[in-house]
Amino acid sequence: RKEVEQDPGPFNVPEGATVAFNCTYSNSASQSFFWYRQDCRKEPKLLMSVYSSGNEDGRFTAQLNRASQYISLLIRDSKLSDSATYLCVVNGDSGNTGKLIFGQGTTLQVKP
Amino acid sequence: DAGVIQSPRHEVTEMGQEVTLRCKPISGHNSLFWYRQTMMRGLELLIYFNNNVPIDDSGMPEDRFSAKMPNASFSTLKIQPSEPRDSAVYFCASSKVREQYFGPGTRLTVT
Repeated sequence: RKEVEQDPGPFNVPEGATVAFNCTYSNSASQSFFWYRQDCRKEPKLLMSVYSSGNEDGRFTAQLNRASQYISLLIRDSKLSDSATYLCVVNGDSGNTGKLIFGQGTTLQVKP
Repeated sequence: DAGVIQSPRHEVTEMGQEVTLRCKPISGHNSLFWYRQTMMRGLELLIYFNNNVPIDDSGMPEDRFSAKMPNASFSTLKIQPSEPRDSAVYFCASSKVREQYFGPGTRLTVT
């Protein structure tokens, strides 16, 4: 089983749609969770950290379910510029040493 | 503020040649990470340093790969000898607490 699993997609949605991505992780001791965004032929960029209570940043909402070892990202009112690959990221050990494990990514295509 | 700086941005070399990739982390960040990304395997952590000390190199694929961090503002990843299967994008990232910030990457092609 992969340490971080995501549905690779692609998700093809029209502008203005709401889309949700899910991710599961295998290490129950993980403490830090993130969503990164990667555009084609570019580096991954931090989109948002994910907190136990859930957090929102504009049109983006992240949720964490520790019992199910499940993380989600919701994008509302999607824009053409949201087209990218979204990477679910979990820290790779029980301490906060900084080692991160990246999922394979979910590709989103927003169409006009 | 300058982000993570990597050089070269592109490298094309022949099999058997030595390749050296360079990274300058964000000033004040005490952790540095080297990753490799391919279509088949995604983003893989090769090695990371904390306060210039290598902490985990379990992701380094073979002895042909080596990495150094002689000071807080510079790191190198060396491949000697290079092979076609080393072709990938190599990213360097740095962090201060938890979040990692990536450089633009070096696209390596070994023919």
